[in-house]
Amino acid sequence: SQQGEEDPQALSIQEGENATMNCSYKTSINNLQWYRQNSGRGLVHLILIRSNEREKHSGRLRVTLDTSKKSSSLLITASRAADTASYFCATDGAGGTSYGKLTFGQGTILTVHP
Amino acid sequence: DAGVIQSPRHEVTEMGQEVTLRCKPISGHDYLFWYRQTMMRGLELLIYFNNNVPIDDSGMPEDRFSAKMPNASFSTLKIQPSEPRDSAVYFCASSRGAPTGELFFGEGSRLTVL
Repeated sequence: SQQGEEDPQALSIQEGENATMNCSYKTSINNLQWYRQNSGRGLVHLILIRSNEREKHSGRLRVTLDTSKKSSSLLITASRAADTASYFCATDGAGGTSYGKLTFGQGTILTVHP
Repeated sequence: DAGVIQSPRHEVTEMGQEVTLRCKPISGHDYLFWYRQTMMRGLELLIYFNNNVPIDDSGMPEDRFSAKMPNASFSTLKIQPSEPRDSAVYFCASSRGAPTGELFFGEGSRLTVL
């Protein structure tokens, strides 16, 4: 089964609104990453947050991590039509079968309407 | 710097034919990954290499799949014989220093097996 599970599966908002996507995972991790994938393209790394960090910012992106709840959220503020894409979380299992490799969730499809 | 380069971008073949997908990682990156993406199963890690040596091939679906990395700048993923259920987008990614750090993805090879 997937280590990371995103919700919602799809999110539709208007330009200028904020978009929040969530990721839950099952096992302990060393770090959690978020990636974006535009339609027909490869994945692009957005941000990495380590297990000893609680929050991280990069431009309009804000990521939080709650290791006690095994969950993370990605907030995109003041969204733009160009933010339309699929967003994936990826976790490196600190133990078990996921150890030493990144496992991706199923993704959230974000649509930002102009 | 050029990113990860994959070829072909699109491949349509008939069941039973051999398929070879190619990847050139980013220069200086010592890890190379092959992922497969489908609607049903999401993004799955097939195999990864460190310094041209296969480290984990537990995701390779069956003996019909093989991957090689003859040198630091080239890798192939071969499917022989191909089947319709192999239809997917195959991504190559590379990273530097760790298998669970930031991955740089290619644009993918979309394979359709008829």
